[in-house]
Amino acid sequence: EDQVTQSPEALRLQEGESSSLNCSYTVSGLRGLFWYRQDPGKGPEFLFTLYSAGEEKEKERLKATLTKKESFLHITAPKPEDSATYLCAVHSGGYNKLIFGAGTRLAVHP
Amino acid sequence: EAGVAQSPRYKIIEKRQSVAFWCNPISGHATLYWYQQILGQGPKLLIQFQNNGVVDDSQLPKDRFSAERLKGVDSTLKIQPAKLEDSAVYLCASSLGGSRKETQYFGPGTRLLVL
Repeated sequence: EDQVTQSPEALRLQEGESSSLNCSYTVSGLRGLFWYRQDPGKGPEFLFTLYSAGEEKEKERLKATLTKKESFLHITAPKPEDSATYLCAVHSGGYNKLIFGAGTRLAVHP
Repeated sequence: EAGVAQSPRYKIIEKRQSVAFWCNPISGHATLYWYQQILGQGPKLLIQFQNNGVVDDSQLPKDRFSAERLKGVDSTLKIQPAKLEDSAVYLCASSLGGSRKETQYFGPGTRLLVL
């Protein structure tokens, strides 16, 4: 069965303290791995899509990387406005079906 | 470009009552999805439409949940009768509908509390 596991569940950082979030997956034939950001009371906001091992994508202070078994979301010199829940998802069978992890709640303090 | 619209944003009902949620996808998006997100968990797909046809409803509790997308544009998700465990955020998403590697764009969600 396709599965996505994110770690840690929660992460507290000081402003400027870089770190990484992990997303490990088991899926029969990866057709895409997605990162979303979700703020309290809002729907998930698309960040990145990665399709093959070795691929990397960057956006401002965020960088996503992909291996055959996991993806990392690296946050460089985070700011308080980066505080949110970060969700990882993979395409699973069917037509465009996404399987989500439970997310990592990130809090960045000044 | 306008995003995915959902209404209402919040709903409080008592168990055994019925409730309906509405979603209008991004203009031109053929594929529409309804997800359920329980507090502390990631979204779980309930049903997926391609135009006005159902592509996947394998995780939809069909004894109480129903959904329709009659004209291939907006959609309604209904729960009848509601149970306490239905308390969750119901998210609608849409995508272009042209390939299997598409990005899904989410609406703000409807927060349902069943008392």
